[in-house]
Amino acid sequence: QVQLVQSGAEVKKPGASVRASCKASGYTFTSYYIHWVRQAPGQGLEWMGVINPSGGSTNYAQKFQGRVTMTRDTSTSTVYMELSSLSSEDTAVYYCARSLRNDVDYWGQGTLVTVSS
Amino acid sequence: QSALTQPASVSGSPGQSITISCTGTSSDIGGYHSVSWFQQHPGQAPKLMIYDVNSRPSGVPDRFSGSKSGNTASLTISGLQAEDEADYYCNSYTRSSSLVFGGGTKLTVL
Repeated sequence: QVQLVQSGAEVKKPGASVRASCKASGYTFTSYYIHWVRQAPGQGLEWMGVINPSGGSTNYAQKFQGRVTMTRDTSTSTVYMELSSLSSEDTAVYYCARSLRNDVDYWGQGTLVTVSS
Repeated sequence: QSALTQPASVSGSPGQSITISCTGTSSDIGGYHSVSWFQQHPGQAPKLMIYDVNSRPSGVPDRFSGSKSGNTASLTISGLQAEDEADYYCNSYTRSSSLVFGGGTKLTVL
């Protein structure tokens, strides 16, 4: 069965960086895009960007350009999302989700990132 | 890319039908057949309920249906049940090859 298993919760200080991982299983890793979506406490879903695991190409939301980097390791079927220059406004649950073309279907369980001094 | 517009809340009694709207532009909803709807219960990850405007994944009850007219998509839930109480988000592919979500709608089953 399709699974996206994400890394555990993180606590970071303002100005630091965080790297979350998303390990895929149950399907051909390079056949599906992986998106990152975040949700601040009590707020809605916000799309951050997408990576094509096949070639590694990325497309980031304008809001996060220059601050987010998405990479992949095809040997372990894992995608990574690094967000730098963290502030309290980055406190959120970060989800990875896959799509074949334009529609996201399966989601990971989420990674809680807390930014606090 | 601005968020799609959804009503903050809707409500209905068990057995009734409700519709949630999602308004965008010709650069997203109006330009593509790639509109999805997600259900999210507290503390859980979103779950896909509708994709490609009106298709249901395996396992989703046929009480859930989707449609689109121009720049507005809609999710209809018929025969409301208590377990349908959740937050619902619409999502669309956009002209800039990105995705955009709606602000979310809280469904209360009275």
